Amino acid sequence: GAVVSQHPSRVICKSGTSVKIECRSLDFQATTMFWYRQFPKQSLMLMATSNEGSKATYEQGVEKDKFLINHASLTLSTLTVTSAHPEDSSFYICSARDTSGYQPQHFGDGTRLSIL
Amino acid sequence: AQKVTQAQTEISVVEKEDVTLDCVYETRDTTYYLFWYKQPPSGELVFLIRRNSFDEQNEISGRYSWNFQKSTSSFNFTITASQVVDSAVYFCALSEAGRNRDDKIIFGKGTRLHILP
Repeated sequence: GAVVSQHPSRVICKSGTSVKIECRSLDFQATTMFWYRQFPKQSLMLMATSNEGSKATYEQGVEKDKFLINHASLTLSTLTVTSAHPEDSSFYICSARDTSGYQPQHFGDGTRLSIL
Repeated sequence: AQKVTQAQTEISVVEKEDVTLDCVYETRDTTYYLFWYKQPPSGELVFLIRRNSFDEQNEISGRYSWNFQKSTSSFNFTITASQVVDSAVYFCALSEAGRNRDDKIIFGKGTRLHILP
C-alpha cells in the first residue's frame, strides 16, 4: 500500500487562486521531503527540499515566494502555489525519506494542477 | 554537476521482444545511488531499483535486469519477453549518497516505451 499520501490528486481552479498540496508520510517519520514538478512529456525537476522545522531549500530558478513550503511535522509537508497562473499548470509530486535514510525515498502519487 | 542521459526518447517493440533502455550518468561523487522508475499513464512513479555505487553486481528481478558498468558510467535496464503492460515512461535517476542516505534525485529525461501487441 501507499506509504506516502499526496492530496489532492487533481485540482482545477481559476487563475489567481492559491492551491495547497499536502504530502504525508503514513507509516514513517520523514525529516526530509522533496517536491518535484513535471510538465507534460518532460522529466521530473526538483523544486525544493523540505526539512522539518527549518526553511526549505529551493533549487535555482524556483521562486520561494511563489511556491511556499511548510514542513511543520515529521509526517507532513505542504506546498502552496500562490496566485497560480496557467503556466503553473503541471504535475507536482513529492517524495519522503524516512529518518533512518536506509530505505529508498517513497514518492506520492502526484497532484495534477490545472489553472484556467 | 550531476547529470543523467537517456538517449532513447521513444522505443517501440513488439510484444515478447526483449528491450534495453540505456542510461549514462555523470557525477563527481564517489558514493551515489542509481535508480530506475516506471511512470505509467496514470502518472505515479513506480520504484524499480536502487543501486549503490559500490555494488556493481548486476541484478535480475523476474523479467527485469540491470547492468551497472562503472567503467562506462552506465546503468542499463533490460526487459525480457516484453508485455503490453510494460508500456510506460521509464526514468533513470541519480542521487548523492551521504551517510548511506539518498538525497535529492536527478532524473533523466525518460524513455517512452511502447509495447505493441
